[in-house]
Amino acid sequence: QKEVEQNSGPLSVPEGAIASLNCTYSDRGSQSFFWYRQYSGKSPELIMSIYSNGDKEDGRFTAQLNKASQYVSLLIRDSQPSDSATYLCAVNTPYSGGGADGLTFGKGTHLIIQP
Amino acid sequence: ETGVTQTPRHLVMGMTNKKSLKCEQHLGHNAMYWYKQSAKKPLELMFVYNFKEQTENNSVPSRFSPECPNSSHLFLHLHTLQPEDSALYLCASSQPGTGDGGNTIYFGEGSWLTVV
Repeated sequence: QKEVEQNSGPLSVPEGAIASLNCTYSDRGSQSFFWYRQYSGKSPELIMSIYSNGDKEDGRFTAQLNKASQYVSLLIRDSQPSDSATYLCAVNTPYSGGGADGLTFGKGTHLIIQP
Repeated sequence: ETGVTQTPRHLVMGMTNKKSLKCEQHLGHNAMYWYKQSAKKPLELMFVYNFKEQTENNSVPSRFSPECPNSSHLFLHLHTLQPEDSALYLCASSQPGTGDGGNTIYFGEGSWLTVV
C-alpha cells in the first residue's frame, strides 16, 4: 500500500517569512515527486517536480528530496498572502515500465500566510 | 487554462439518474486519468488510460464506468450513485516517458458532483 503523509495544518506563517512544507512516503521504489498547489474550490496546479536527491529551485520555491529518508519538502521564500492554499505532495511509483501509472497524493497541508 | 477541459463543471443528480462527465485534453498527451477528491481525504486515483487502453481500475465500484474513445477524450458514466459519491471529480492527462523519469500530471478544473 503506497502512502504519502503530510501534516494537514493549518500552518500559519507571517508574510515575508519562509514557509516549510514536509512530506514522507512509504514506497522506496518511488521515483518522481511533485508539489501541487490547490486553492479552495479549484483544481490542483503543478508547482514543482523533483527526481534526484538534493535541492531544486524555481523562483521563490525550492523542493528538497532525500530518498534515503523517504522525505520531500517544499520551501517558499518571501511568503505572500497569495501563497495561502493547500499544498499537495504527490509521488509516482511506477510498476509498469514506461507506462502511465498515476500519482499517489497526500492529504495536503493548509498554509496560511498572515499579512 | 490548463489544456484539460471538463464538462459539466457542476452536476446535481438523483440516485436513479444516469449522467456522464466529459473530459478533453488539448496537450497531445497519451495518458488520461480520473481522480476523485472528497472532503478531508486525499485525491484518489480511479482509472488510468494509456493510448486509449485502460491500465488501471483502482477498485472502483461498477456504478462508475469510464470510456476512452481516443487519447484526447475521456468520459465517466455515472449510474445509480450514492450520496457518498458526492465529490470533486478531476480529469488529468500526462505524456508518459517524458521528463527525467517523471510522469507530470495536469488537471482539469474538475466537475463538482452532488448526489441527492
